[in-house]
This record gives sequence, C-alpha cells and structure tokens, in this order.
Amino acid sequence: DTAVSQTPKYLVTQMGNDKSIKCEQNLGHDTMYWYKQDSKKFLKIMFSYNNKELIINETVPNRFSPKSPDKAHLNLHINSLELGDSAVYFCASSQWGQGHTGELFFGEGSRLTVL
Amino acid sequence: AQKITQTQPGMFVQEKEAVTLDCTYDTSDQSYGLFWYKQPSSGEMIFLIYQGSYDEQNATEGRYSLNFQKARKSANLVISASQLGDSAMYFCASRGLNTNAGKSTFGDGTTLTVKP
Repeated sequence: DTAVSQTPKYLVTQMGNDKSIKCEQNLGHDTMYWYKQDSKKFLKIMFSYNNKELIINETVPNRFSPKSPDKAHLNLHINSLELGDSAVYFCASSQWGQGHTGELFFGEGSRLTVL
Repeated sequence: AQKITQTQPGMFVQEKEAVTLDCTYDTSDQSYGLFWYKQPSSGEMIFLIYQGSYDEQNATEGRYSLNFQKARKSANLVISASQLGDSAMYFCASRGLNTNAGKSTFGDGTTLTVKP
C-alpha cells in the first residue's frame, strides 16, 4: 500500500486554466504539506495542515488554494495557471511529538507543465 | 527562521569508497531536527537519516551516518562503501521541534555521482 499517494502524476495544460492535485496518506499522520520543486530542484514549502487546520501558509499567490477535508487528505487547486507555475508539486506527511522524529513521507510528485 | 547551506552542487566518488556531503545550518530554534533525503533520477524523495539537536551520539543508518558538530552547526552526511545506486541528489533539511507548526527547510541539494 502506498503511504502517500498523489494524483495525477503528470499535468500538461494551457496558461489560464485551472487544475487540481489530490493527495491522500494512510499513515495516520496529523500533518500534511505541499512543497514545490522548481526546475533547479529547489524545494520550498507552500502550505501545511495539521488535523485539517492550516498552520503554514508561505508567500504563495492566492491563485493557489489548499483544502483538507480530513487529516488524511490534502488537495491543491490552482487557478489561472501561469508559465512560472510549471514545477513538480510534492505532497508530504509527518507526525510530530513524542516518539516521532517528524521526518517527511513524500508522495511521488505531480509534474505540472504549463504551456 | 532556518537556513540550510549545501556548498557542493556536485560530487563524484568512486564505487566502494566513502563520501561526505556537507551541510551547515542556521536556526533560531532551541530544539531542532536535522534530516537527509535522497532524490534519485526517478524523482521520489526518500528519507535517509535523522539527528536531533539534543542527541549526543551521531546518527547511523546502515551505510549512512550523520557527522553532527553542533558548535560548528554542521550536519554532514557520510556514505560508506558507495554503490552505483547511490547516484542521486541529496538534500539536507532542518525542522524546529518545539511546535507542530514547524516546517522543514531544505538546502539546495548536492548531486552525487558514483563512478564504476
């Protein structure tokens, strides 16, 4: 069973379109994240949710809207896509607290290409 | 605030030799964790090893060890007996441990190439 799964793996779309990426984790973790990896492989956090509550919201355009219907799911919706949004988007989860080191469990990534 | 610096964009190592990937960090957190992740060419991110700021012993996981020098704020990854499958990009990361709002901050990565 895949621990963190995200769909789709690949998205190719035109500028101005809207797209969504879905993420699910079956690890029972309380915290989920979205990270963006650009063409130079730099990894930057975008959002983090803990038990469905938004706890980290980095400087991300408001065209990006995360939603967490429950603690096992974190989706990312992107409106009015721009060329600069082309990247690999990673979903991740972790567990914090006693007995946990807080390492990230990553999904396989969703490669978004905006034409 | 946290900052991770990986000064080696690329490294080469001969198969079966050991290699050290450098990482220095800067953090305002009193208690923090340091992590290394591997990203092969296939793209997935794989957790390798963890070191807590309060741990006195250096962490080890199989062929991976973390050379933690707190006073120097360094957390270098040592891979012993390199294998061809170790060729990948390696990221150092840190996270504050005092809050569930802690985020992992990543360095820019080091690309390791293992030569046969």
